[in-house]
Amino acid sequence: DAGVIQSPRHEVTEMGQEVTLRCKPISGHNSLFWYRQTMMRGLELLIYFNNNVPIDDSGMPEDRFSAKMPNASFSTLKIQPSEPRDSAVYFCASSQQVSGNTIYFGEGSWLTVV
Amino acid sequence: GIQVEQSPPDLILQEGANSTLRCNFSDSVNNLQWFHQNPWGQLINLFYIPSGTKQNGRLSATTVATERYSLLYISSSQTTDSGVYFCAVVMDSSYKLIFGSGTRLLVRP
Repeated sequence: DAGVIQSPRHEVTEMGQEVTLRCKPISGHNSLFWYRQTMMRGLELLIYFNNNVPIDDSGMPEDRFSAKMPNASFSTLKIQPSEPRDSAVYFCASSQQVSGNTIYFGEGSWLTVV
Repeated sequence: GIQVEQSPPDLILQEGANSTLRCNFSDSVNNLQWFHQNPWGQLINLFYIPSGTKQNGRLSATTVATERYSLLYISSSQTTDSGVYFCAVVMDSSYKLIFGSGTRLLVRP
Protein backbone atom coordinates (compact mmCIF):
# COMPACT_ATOMS: atom_id res chain seq x y z
CA ASP A 1 0.00 0.00 0.00
CA ALA A 2 1.58 3.27 -1.15
CA GLY A 3 -0.18 5.42 1.42
CA VAL A 4 -1.28 9.01 0.86
CA ILE A 5 1.11 10.66 -1.58
CA GLN A 6 1.73 14.38 -1.54
CA SER A 7 3.80 16.65 -3.74
CA PRO A 8 5.87 18.69 -3.60
CA ARG A 9 7.50 17.72 -0.30
CA HIS A 10 9.13 21.12 0.01
CA GLU A 11 8.44 24.40 -1.76
CA VAL A 12 9.93 27.83 -1.35
CA THR A 13 8.20 30.57 -3.27
CA GLU A 14 8.05 34.32 -3.39
CA MET A 15 5.14 36.30 -2.05
CA GLY A 16 2.49 36.77 -4.70
CA GLN A 17 3.22 33.58 -6.57
CA GLU A 18 0.70 30.81 -7.08
CA VAL A 19 1.27 27.59 -5.16
CA THR A 20 -0.35 24.26 -6.02
CA LEU A 21 -0.12 21.31 -3.65
CA ARG A 22 -1.13 17.86 -4.83
CA CYS A 23 -2.48 14.78 -3.14
CA LYS A 24 -3.20 11.20 -4.16
CA PRO A 25 -5.33 9.45 -1.53
CA ILE A 26 -5.15 5.77 -0.72
CA SER A 27 -7.00 3.75 -3.34
CA GLY A 28 -10.53 2.91 -2.22
CA HIS A 29 -10.77 5.76 0.27
CA ASN A 30 -13.72 8.09 -0.31
CA SER A 31 -12.96 10.76 2.29
CA LEU A 32 -10.16 13.28 1.78
CA PHE A 33 -8.98 16.03 4.09
CA TRP A 34 -6.54 18.92 3.82
CA TYR A 35 -4.94 20.06 7.09
CA ARG A 36 -2.49 22.84 7.85
CA GLN A 37 0.02 22.73 10.70
CA THR A 38 1.66 25.80 12.21
CA MET A 39 3.40 26.39 15.50
CA MET A 40 0.81 28.93 16.55
CA ARG A 41 -2.39 27.10 15.62
CA GLY A 42 -1.41 23.44 15.56
CA LEU A 43 -3.25 21.14 13.14
CA GLU A 44 -6.28 22.75 11.51
CA LEU A 45 -8.77 21.21 9.09
CA LEU A 46 -9.01 23.31 5.93
CA ILE A 47 -11.44 21.31 3.80
CA TYR A 48 -13.13 17.92 3.68
CA PHE A 49 -14.25 16.02 0.57
CA ASN A 50 -16.54 13.02 0.52
CA ASN A 51 -16.90 11.09 -2.74
CA ASN A 52 -15.04 13.95 -4.51
CA VAL A 53 -17.57 16.56 -3.31
CA PRO A 54 -16.48 19.35 -0.96
CA ILE A 55 -18.56 18.96 2.19
CA ASP A 56 -17.06 21.58 4.45
CA ASP A 57 -14.62 24.31 3.46
CA SER A 58 -15.22 26.49 6.50
CA GLY A 59 -11.61 26.07 7.53
CA MET A 60 -10.23 27.60 4.34
CA PRO A 61 -8.60 30.83 5.52
CA GLU A 62 -9.78 33.14 2.76
CA ASP A 63 -10.52 33.44 -0.93
CA ARG A 64 -6.87 33.04 -1.80
CA PHE A 65 -7.22 29.36 -0.95
CA SER A 66 -9.08 26.90 -3.17
CA ALA A 67 -9.25 23.12 -3.34
CA LYS A 68 -10.48 20.70 -5.96
CA MET A 69 -10.99 16.98 -6.27
CA PRO A 70 -11.64 16.20 -9.93
CA ASN A 71 -11.62 12.44 -9.35
CA ALA A 72 -11.26 9.87 -6.61
CA SER A 73 -7.49 9.65 -6.94
CA PHE A 74 -6.41 13.27 -7.05
CA SER A 75 -6.86 16.53 -5.18
CA THR A 76 -5.20 19.93 -5.28
CA LEU A 77 -4.91 22.80 -2.83
CA LYS A 78 -4.08 26.11 -4.47
CA ILE A 79 -2.98 29.37 -2.91
CA GLN A 80 -3.11 32.43 -5.14
CA PRO A 81 -1.54 34.83 -4.39
CA SER A 82 0.64 33.38 -1.65
CA GLU A 83 1.67 35.39 1.41
CA PRO A 84 4.39 34.81 4.04
CA ARG A 85 1.75 33.94 6.64
CA ASP A 86 0.78 30.94 4.51
CA SER A 87 4.09 29.30 5.40
CA ALA A 88 3.19 26.01 7.07
CA VAL A 89 3.11 22.27 6.57
CA TYR A 90 0.08 21.18 4.57
CA PHE A 91 -1.10 17.63 5.12
CA CYS A 92 -3.48 15.60 3.02
CA ALA A 93 -5.30 12.68 4.67
CA SER A 94 -7.76 10.05 3.55
CA SER A 95 -10.04 7.36 4.97
CA GLN A 96 -12.70 4.93 3.80
CA GLN A 97 -15.30 6.65 5.93
CA VAL A 98 -14.63 9.08 8.71
CA SER A 99 -16.69 7.35 11.31
CA GLY A 100 -15.27 4.06 12.44
CA ASN A 101 -12.16 4.08 10.31
CA THR A 102 -8.57 5.14 10.61
CA ILE A 103 -7.57 8.38 8.89
CA TYR A 104 -4.17 8.20 7.20
CA PHE A 105 -1.92 11.18 6.62
CA GLY A 106 0.55 11.91 3.88
CA GLU A 107 4.06 13.10 4.64
CA GLY A 108 3.10 16.73 4.20
CA SER A 109 4.13 19.59 1.93
CA TRP A 110 6.44 22.08 3.64
CA LEU A 111 5.67 25.52 2.21
CA THR A 112 7.79 28.60 2.78
CA VAL A 113 6.66 31.91 1.31
CA VAL A 114 9.34 34.60 1.36
CA GLY B 1 -16.91 22.88 19.90
CA ILE B 2 -15.28 19.81 21.34
CA GLN B 3 -12.20 20.36 23.48
CA VAL B 4 -9.28 17.96 23.35
CA GLU B 5 -6.71 18.38 26.09
CA GLN B 6 -3.47 16.47 26.32
CA SER B 7 -1.12 16.15 29.24
CA PRO B 8 1.65 16.57 30.01
CA PRO B 9 2.61 19.13 27.34
CA ASP B 10 6.27 18.17 27.61
CA LEU B 11 8.00 15.06 28.89
CA ILE B 12 11.66 14.11 29.17
CA LEU B 13 12.56 10.49 29.82
CA GLN B 14 15.69 8.47 30.23
CA GLU B 15 15.91 5.60 27.76
CA GLY B 16 14.24 2.54 29.22
CA ALA B 17 11.70 4.43 31.30
CA ASN B 18 7.94 4.02 31.03
CA SER B 19 5.40 6.80 30.56
CA THR B 20 1.69 7.52 30.33
CA LEU B 21 0.21 10.22 28.14
CA ARG B 22 -3.34 11.40 28.68
CA CYS B 23 -6.05 12.77 26.41
CA ASN B 24 -9.28 14.25 27.77
CA PHE B 25 -12.17 15.18 25.51
CA SER B 26 -15.27 17.15 26.27
CA ASP B 27 -17.94 15.33 24.26
CA SER B 28 -18.82 11.83 23.10
CA VAL B 29 -16.80 10.64 20.13
CA ASN B 30 -17.01 7.93 17.49
CA ASN B 31 -13.38 8.04 16.45
CA LEU B 32 -10.24 8.51 18.48
CA GLN B 33 -6.73 8.11 17.13
CA TRP B 34 -3.25 8.47 18.54
CA PHE B 35 -0.51 9.74 16.24
CA HIS B 36 3.22 10.10 16.58
CA GLN B 37 4.79 13.00 14.71
CA ASN B 38 8.45 12.15 14.33
CA PRO B 39 11.26 14.71 14.12
CA TRP B 40 10.90 14.68 10.32
CA GLY B 41 7.28 15.81 10.59
CA GLN B 42 5.59 12.58 9.56
CA LEU B 43 2.26 11.84 11.24
CA ILE B 44 2.20 8.14 11.94
CA ASN B 45 -0.90 6.31 13.06
CA LEU B 46 -0.40 4.49 16.33
CA PHE B 47 -3.89 3.43 17.29
CA TYR B 48 -7.48 3.76 16.20
CA ILE B 49 -9.19 3.35 19.57
CA PRO B 50 -12.63 4.90 20.18
CA SER B 51 -13.03 2.50 23.10
CA GLY B 52 -11.28 -0.39 24.80
CA THR B 53 -7.63 -1.36 24.93
CA LYS B 54 -5.10 -2.17 22.23
CA GLN B 55 -1.45 -3.08 22.29
CA ASN B 56 1.25 -2.90 19.66
CA GLY B 57 4.69 -3.90 20.88
CA ARG B 58 5.90 -1.48 23.54
CA LEU B 59 2.90 0.78 23.02
CA SER B 60 -0.62 0.31 24.30
CA ALA B 61 -3.67 2.52 24.54
CA THR B 62 -6.88 2.54 26.51
CA THR B 63 -9.95 4.66 25.90
CA VAL B 64 -12.74 4.94 28.46
CA ALA B 65 -15.38 6.58 26.32
CA THR B 66 -17.92 6.95 29.13
CA GLU B 67 -15.41 8.98 31.14
CA ARG B 68 -14.08 10.81 28.08
CA TYR B 69 -10.41 10.07 28.28
CA SER B 70 -7.74 7.99 26.59
CA LEU B 71 -4.30 6.94 27.75
CA LEU B 72 -1.23 6.04 25.73
CA TYR B 73 1.38 3.91 27.47
CA ILE B 74 4.97 3.75 26.30
CA SER B 75 7.10 1.09 27.96
CA SER B 76 10.88 0.71 27.81
CA SER B 77 11.18 3.98 25.90
CA GLN B 78 13.76 4.36 23.15
CA THR B 79 15.33 7.46 21.62
CA THR B 80 13.32 6.80 18.46
CA ASP B 81 10.15 7.38 20.48
CA SER B 82 11.00 11.08 20.63
CA GLY B 83 8.62 13.44 18.89
CA VAL B 84 5.12 14.77 19.46
CA TYR B 85 2.20 12.53 20.34
CA PHE B 86 -1.22 13.73 19.25
CA CYS B 87 -4.65 12.58 20.26
CA ALA B 88 -7.38 13.33 17.72
CA VAL B 89 -11.13 12.74 17.93
CA VAL B 90 -14.24 12.87 15.77
CA MET B 91 -17.43 13.82 17.51
CA ASP B 92 -20.60 11.78 17.08
CA SER B 93 -22.44 12.86 13.91
CA SER B 94 -19.42 14.74 12.66
CA TYR B 95 -16.48 14.13 10.38
CA LYS B 96 -13.89 16.60 11.60
CA LEU B 97 -10.81 15.05 13.19
CA ILE B 98 -10.00 17.50 15.95
CA PHE B 99 -6.46 17.40 17.30
CA GLY B 100 -5.19 18.07 20.77
CA SER B 101 -2.14 20.27 21.21
CA GLY B 102 0.13 17.28 21.67
CA THR B 103 2.69 15.95 24.15
CA ARG B 104 6.28 16.63 23.19
CA LEU B 105 8.46 13.68 24.26
CA LEU B 106 12.22 13.60 24.41
CA VAL B 107 13.91 10.32 25.24
CA ARG B 108 17.55 10.73 26.23
CA PRO B 109 20.13 7.96 25.71
